[in-house]
Amino acid sequence: EVQLVESGGGLVQPGGSLRLSCAASEFTFNNYYMSWVRQPPGKGLEWVANINQDGSEKYYVDSVKGRFTISRDNAKNSLYLQMNSLRADDTAVYYCARGYCSGGSCSVPPQYWGQGTLVTVSS
Amino acid sequence: SYELTQPPSVSVSPGQTARITCSGDALPKKYAYWYQQKSGQAPLLVIYEDNKRPSGIPERFSGSTSGTLATLTISGAQVGDEADYYCYSSDSSGNHRVFGGGTKLTVL
Repeated sequence: EVQLVESGGGLVQPGGSLRLSCAASEFTFNNYYMSWVRQPPGKGLEWVANINQDGSEKYYVDSVKGRFTISRDNAKNSLYLQMNSLRADDTAVYYCARGYCSGGSCSVPPQYWGQGTLVTVSS
Repeated sequence: SYELTQPPSVSVSPGQTARITCSGDALPKKYAYWYQQKSGQAPLLVIYEDNKRPSGIPERFSGSTSGTLATLTISGAQVGDEADYYCYSSDSSGNHRVFGGGTKLTVL
């Protein structure tokens, strides 16, 4: 069974930094696109960023561009999100999500999700 | 920035058909995906590539598209289908992803 386990969330002051990690197991990690998706308390889902299989292509939602960096280490089966210059509106549960493969090609949209890690930005 | 528009809420009685819509200008060219999220849980993919069901998703869940509108249909809705449902797609470039605002389905 596909496993995605996020870690690194917590309470941080505005302007601070955090690095989220996602440990992946039970699938061939370097075959799949990976994404970060967040959900503010009581609100809807928001796509944050995604990365292709070898890490050469990365895309971000405009609100985090220049502040967040998505990366992966295929040797460690791990996905990361470096978050800098954090703001109160970055407060959310952050989900790590794996794309899917169908008909011999692989795509970004998430098929499997972790349980999320809560990031709270507050003084 | 690109947006997908969903109704905030849909309500049906058990056994009825629930239809949840998602409107977006790029949907004629980009696939729609649908996720179910029950309270306190991670999202679950229920429809991919407009109308395909992942393994394990009941046949009562189906998807369709027509022009700029994607629709998730739940035939014979059950109380256990109560959840928030989100559509997901990309802008015309394919590089930026977006979720709709979500629709709360009530079955009672």
